[in-house]
Amino acid sequence: EAGVAQSPRYKIIEKRQSVAFWCNPISGHATLYWYQQILGQGPKLLIQFQNNGVVDDSQLPKDRFSAERLKGVDSTLKIQPAKLEDSAVYLCASSLAPKLGNSPLHFGNGTRLTVT
Amino acid sequence: KNEVEQSPQNLTAQEGEFITINCSYSVGISALHWLQQHPGGGIVSLFMLSSGKKKHGRLIATINIQEKHSSLHITASHPRDSAVYICAVRWLYGGSQGNLIFGKGTKLSVKP
Repeated sequence: EAGVAQSPRYKIIEKRQSVAFWCNPISGHATLYWYQQILGQGPKLLIQFQNNGVVDDSQLPKDRFSAERLKGVDSTLKIQPAKLEDSAVYLCASSLAPKLGNSPLHFGNGTRLTVT
Repeated sequence: KNEVEQSPQNLTAQEGEFITINCSYSVGISALHWLQQHPGGGIVSLFMLSSGKKKHGRLIATINIQEKHSSLHITASHPRDSAVYICAVRWLYGGSQGNLIFGKGTKLSVKP
């Protein structure tokens, strides 16, 4: 099966600029997650979608970060305006619906963002 | 304080050596994941377990629920096993499935 697709792979922007990341999950996976992974740390959940609804966005900095999954398939994550501390790898993951139990997560290759 | 602790943080081994990476956590969990992350960022799920032991090729994962401890073993290690290995847990009570608690990872380097 095709994996989780993310683009772009790398992005370099200046602080205060805007940036958007795209994710296409595995076909049939209702649940989609965006994680932020700062160098040397484990991933931190930013937002979880179930189909096109938000399940958990408690750790999303909503003053500058936004995410949508309008048709319940692919998703975009936006940062506007970016700060230096946003430099990180942004990982997208998907899984079958959580109600089925502890189903495994499938991760994309991530987008490495550098803010200068 | 990170509630998921991994050891060692860094590990260098010679090709062919048996490798063990440890993970300890502080409260009850419903599942524990072992993940592999290669340079460049992509993460691959190796195991998801809630009890006992799982084996896949040269990789073995064990978990002791009473002791709140899991180990990942690699037999006959190879340079291509060089990666960061991450332990992540899902708490037994509360939290969405995506809200896994991640360890900081163990960076493994296998020398030929």
